[in-house]
Amino acid sequence: AQRVTQPEKLLSVFKGAPVELKCNYSYSGSPELFWYVQYSRQRLQLLLRHISRESIKGFTADLNKGETSFHLKKPFAQEEDSAMYYCALGGRDDKIIFGKGTRLHILP
Amino acid sequence: ETGVTQSPTHLIKTRGQQVTLRCSSQSGHNTVSWYQQALGQGPQFIFQYYREEENGRGNFPPRFSGLQFPNYSSELNVNALELDDSALYLCASSLGEARGLYGYTFGSGTRLTVV
Repeated sequence: AQRVTQPEKLLSVFKGAPVELKCNYSYSGSPELFWYVQYSRQRLQLLLRHISRESIKGFTADLNKGETSFHLKKPFAQEEDSAMYYCALGGRDDKIIFGKGTRLHILP
Repeated sequence: ETGVTQSPTHLIKTRGQQVTLRCSSQSGHNTVSWYQQALGQGPQFIFQYYREEENGRGNFPPRFSGLQFPNYSSELNVNALELDDSALYLCASSLGEARGLYGYTFGSGTRLTVV
């Protein structure tokens, strides 16, 4: 069964400190992993996809198949990073399953 | 290029009624997925349409049904509304055969309240 787990509902980090949002998944095949972000009063939008190995807004995420994880990281948090972050898993049937989300709060 | 547009933005219905939510896909996208997002939860997959046919469904009862039209716009219909159907309903579109690989473009959602 496809499943995405984000263990933290809320993560508070001081500005300038490193950020790590955790995501673990359960899937028997080769997964496609994504991170979506929702800023206040805005729609859900794609932040990162593991297939492209990109860095967006200073965020990176590495797929670790051994640990079945896809944690989102940023070395230095900025106030504008405050948002709701969702980890998502795409499987063979092309539907995308979302985790419950982590609210990232950057403290000044 | 236009994004994903959903209508209406807000809706209040009475328990037992039926509702239709609408979605216009991003230009060039031929796949539409619908999600239900309850307060404090992540989006839950309802179903997906590709070239006018349903090609995936989540754990939702048959009173949740949908349609996709030749122009790739879509409708979500919910019959016999229950109080627990109160949620934000999200439509997402994507492109072509690689729709699962490159993510979706989401609309702003329709906030449905059942009283």
